[in-house]
Amino acid sequence: DTAVSQTPKYLVTQMGNDKSIKCEQNLGHDTMYWYKQDSKKFLKIMFSYNNKELIINETVPNRFSPKSPDKAHLNLHINSLELGDSAVYFCASSLLSGPTNEKLFFGSGTQLSVL
Amino acid sequence: SQQGEEDPQALSIQEGENATMNCSYKTSINNLQWYRQNSGRGLVHLILIRSNEREKHSGRLRVTLDTSKKSSSLLITASRAADTASYFCASYSGGSNYKLTFGKGTLLTVNP
Repeated sequence: DTAVSQTPKYLVTQMGNDKSIKCEQNLGHDTMYWYKQDSKKFLKIMFSYNNKELIINETVPNRFSPKSPDKAHLNLHINSLELGDSAVYFCASSLLSGPTNEKLFFGSGTQLSVL
Repeated sequence: SQQGEEDPQALSIQEGENATMNCSYKTSINNLQWYRQNSGRGLVHLILIRSNEREKHSGRLRVTLDTSKKSSSLLITASRAADTASYFCASYSGGSNYKLTFGKGTLLTVNP
């Protein structure tokens, strides 16, 4: 069973469209994340949620709206897509151990191409 | 902002050789982690070393941590072609235990 699964794996769309990426984890973890990896492989955190509560919003444009219906799911909706949004988006989860989160488990990524 | 910076950016070696990658970080940490990313895949956690540990082993991996120098190294011994991947160090930054920040990574190529 896949621990962290995200769909779709590939997303090709036109500028100005709205799209969503879904993520689910079956690990029972408390914390979930969205990361963006650019063409130079630089990985930047976008959001982190703990038990459905937004903890980190890393100055992401408000065109990006995460939604966590329960602690096993964290979806990412993107409005009015722009060329610069093209990247690989990774969902991840971790277990909160006391005050500290431990290692992250990553999904396989969604490659978003905005034309 | 980045917490970790890996060095070198790229490393090419022959199968059987050892590969050493270094990471420097800026702020105090609870733990430092190393991840591997194969081409076109998600990141996979390799090893975590806590701030009160100096060295840790896992199979062919050896990680060291020097908190006085704010640096860590990852050694892969007896490398294999399958070790070809990007390697990232990561740590929680800015006093937040919810923001794991990654370095730029080292691209390791192991030639058969």
